[in-house]
Amino acid sequence: AQTVTQSQPEMSVQEAETVTLSCTYDTSENNYYLFWYKQPPSRQMILVIRQEAYKQQNATENRFSVNFQKAAKSFSLKISDSQLGDTAMYFCAFMKEDNNNDMRFGAGTRLTVKP
Amino acid sequence: ETGVTQTPRHLVMGMTNKKSLKCEQHLGHNAMYWYKQSAKKPLELMFVYNFKEQTENNSVPSRFSPECPNSSHLFLHLHTLQPEDSALYLCASSQAGSYEQYFGPGTRLTVT
Repeated sequence: AQTVTQSQPEMSVQEAETVTLSCTYDTSENNYYLFWYKQPPSRQMILVIRQEAYKQQNATENRFSVNFQKAAKSFSLKISDSQLGDTAMYFCAFMKEDNNNDMRFGAGTRLTVKP
Repeated sequence: ETGVTQTPRHLVMGMTNKKSLKCEQHLGHNAMYWYKQSAKKPLELMFVYNFKEQTENNSVPSRFSPECPNSSHLFLHLHTLQPEDSALYLCASSQAGSYEQYFGPGTRLTVT
């Protein structure tokens, strides 16, 4: 079974600074997808960024980028130039390539951006 | 944020009550999901429907009963719940073959 671990229950960062959220996963699969989802307070969860395991290049979406280390089974999220609107729960998630109905989530990291 | 809607947003129910949660997606998707989100725990996938057919049931107690009358609507019928069932229940949808799931705002359920 696939498991996803987020070892940082809570983090904080000053506005405009950079923060990195950690995620590790356990799988015997070779082909899979990894995701970071953002859940703002009292708002819907939205996809921030995704990474296909077969791609060596790290995904980037504006201020959000990942550090994907396949051998180490690590998938961290870096948020640059943090903004107050980045305050949210962040969930790391894993999905096997051949079963895109079964997404496994970590327990989440609560990020607070301080003014 | 109106692609997937859930009602009610908040629900308080006694252990002997029967209630239903409703989810509706306006995205033309054909797969829908129920998740349970408890504090400090990973989201738990409860049920998956593909083209209105249930394809996943992750050992969910029978006091939770899903219903998917069409590809746009999903219900979760609740009866004789336990206090430990208190959680945020999230609905999501996706297009078959796509990896991206779109989430609703959730129903905050409190069982007293």
